[in-house]
Amino acid sequence: GENVEQHPSTLSVQEGDSAVIKCTYSDSASNYFPWYKQELGKGPQLIIDIRSNVGEKKDQRIAVTLNKTAKHFSLHITETQPEDSAVYFCAASIRGNQFYFGTGTSLTVIP
Amino acid sequence: DTAVSQTPKYLVTQMGNDKSIKCEQNLGHDTMYWYKQDSKKFLKIMFSYNNKELIINETVPNRFSPKSPDKAHLNLHINSLELGDSAVYFCASSQVYGGSYEQYFGPGTRLTVT
Repeated sequence: GENVEQHPSTLSVQEGDSAVIKCTYSDSASNYFPWYKQELGKGPQLIIDIRSNVGEKKDQRIAVTLNKTAKHFSLHITETQPEDSAVYFCAASIRGNQFYFGTGTSLTVIP
Repeated sequence: DTAVSQTPKYLVTQMGNDKSIKCEQNLGHDTMYWYKQDSKKFLKIMFSYNNKELIINETVPNRFSPKSPDKAHLNLHINSLELGDSAVYFCASSQVYGGSYEQYFGPGTRLTVT
């Protein structure tokens, strides 16, 4: 089955700096890669996603890149703000049938 | 309106009991899921279900069973609860067939087994 690895497990950045979280996957059939933000006491919230036919996608301060050949994808958050502090999860899916999650990255943005 | 809702939000029970968690989605999605999140925040898929197929994670004990009365509901039944079942359980839904694959999560149910 699919195996998703995520790094780093914890990340601290100064407010205004950029944060990058990286994931790798094992199954070349995976074609959908979402990213989720989970705040304390809440369920994961979809923040951005990318499909395998696209190399990069951006939404305001958030961007995701995908390298199909290397089987890795990354989340980039620019101009970080304290409210970006949360746990972030990457996931990989084959046509949306099952989702395999990374182990999470706890991001702390220091004011 | 809440897209994916779960009840109860907290559930405290004793070992050996049987309990259920309810989930409802009002997004018209065709597929629903149950996940378990342990104390280390690992998210593990337990089941995915649509009206055609139930996919069970092979590591899930058969004490856990999903029951779907209709497309909008997927309840989780747990028999003979054990201490190791303590975790947060999330329901989610997505549109798989002809859809965007976007998956939306409920707020979670924190299960504590004593």
